Amino acid sequence: DTGVSQDPRHKITKRGQNVTFRCDPISEHNRLYWYRQTLGQGPEFLTYFQNEAQLEKSRLLSDRFSAERPKGSFSTLEIQRTEQGDSAMYLCASSQTGTNTGELFFGEGSRLTVL
Amino acid sequence: EDQVTQSPEALRLQEGESSSLNCSYTVSGLRGLFWYRQDPGKGPEFLFTLYSAGEEKEKERLKATLTKKESFLHITAPKPEDSATYLCAVRTANTGFQKLVFGTGTRLLVSP
Repeated sequence: DTGVSQDPRHKITKRGQNVTFRCDPISEHNRLYWYRQTLGQGPEFLTYFQNEAQLEKSRLLSDRFSAERPKGSFSTLEIQRTEQGDSAMYLCASSQTGTNTGELFFGEGSRLTVL
Repeated sequence: EDQVTQSPEALRLQEGESSSLNCSYTVSGLRGLFWYRQDPGKGPEFLFTLYSAGEEKEKERLKATLTKKESFLHITAPKPEDSATYLCAVRTANTGFQKLVFGTGTRLLVSP
């Protein structure tokens, strides 16, 4: 399968714990995005990487959130001291430079439940 | 502030019963309007990009159109496999080139 893969698919944690999600984009794509989606809502932009550089961050991304893409390939999204409001689906997407059609290839998401 | 509103929230159709989904937008400088399909428990899947009023795109039973204030996704003779949530998103002069602002979607259920 050459699509975007995310791990884990589901994570249940207790309030205050740290969690980390991993995203492996399509191999030739150098743009990578993180979005968050809550039930009944559309995805909300969190952050964007071109290669290893984090070029844009949403105001939604509080200090408890950190994203990295150390070698311009896979990316991680870490949430520290989780809160119940962090419960959501975390979606990763990738796209290729030079294709500005708005076509993002999304993974199946990582669903976080904070108890 | 850029806003995207989709209607209806949910739509139930019989197989073969054509209909339209609406996406209205209030933005400063539209730089593209995009339609995605999302199946339960999955990530969104890209359908269409529209850039300017009057533009139309088609794919199988779906046709997307764009005016200066709204976009429509027309579904002709739908089948049960067309059941999904359809999301509209915009890119604007405010959001920059890489960020999409999504609406809340229309949940479509097509019954056999």
